[in-house]
Amino acid sequence: QSALTQPASVSGSPGQSITISCTGTSSDVGAYNYVSWYQQHPGKVPKLMIFDVSSRPSGVSNRFSGSKSGNTASLTISGLQAEDEADYYCASYTTSSSLVVFGGGTTLTVL
Amino acid sequence: QLQLQESGPRLVKPSETLSLTCTVSGGSISRSAYYWGWIRQPPGKGLEWIGTIHYSGNGNTYYNPSLKSRVTISVDTSKNQFSLRLNSVTAADTAVYYCARLHSSAWSLDSWGQGTLVTVSS
Repeated sequence: QSALTQPASVSGSPGQSITISCTGTSSDVGAYNYVSWYQQHPGKVPKLMIFDVSSRPSGVSNRFSGSKSGNTASLTISGLQAEDEADYYCASYTTSSSLVVFGGGTTLTVL
Repeated sequence: QLQLQESGPRLVKPSETLSLTCTVSGGSISRSAYYWGWIRQPPGKGLEWIGTIHYSGNGNTYYNPSLKSRVTISVDTSKNQFSLRLNSVTAADTAVYYCARLHSSAWSLDSWGQGTLVTVSS
């Protein structure tokens, strides 16, 4: 089982929008609408930001949105703020024996 | 409010077994909608899925294939706890270990423990 593929880093200026991609296969991202995204600040616990590809848990800013096309899911953050600087991980349900697979993570830098 | 707390030895010798327990409070581990999982993060690296279990038992246990030969996850509903055992550890198993709740309607991890750093060293 291979991890989902994410870019190692992305950056943007305050107020701009950025998109982080998460590429899997027809056995995970492409098979189901069970993609989730997690935000992790340094030294902190990961936080669920998006589930079911595009749903936000209560309390998560609507500046965070998710989408999917084929085997690739995306997280978009609009109106970038300094507090958005963090690592972001995607995850997906998978038909493999592990049930869940993570992406390698993307470091977002707010310039 | 649901809380998860990892506990167990912080230092394990190479070739020995790493054992951690996650105690769930503020909710029952025996709810059918949820699985209970372990995730780890080596220092400076990304999250790695270890595996998950449903309270109903061993027939509903899933492991990362890369760790499957060394991992056992179990559940104790009477104590509202679930546990991780990782055999034959090496320095590569040094990581922060998180326990978390996996919501089976969305297969997302909606509640996490604080994490515990386990170091493998002689």
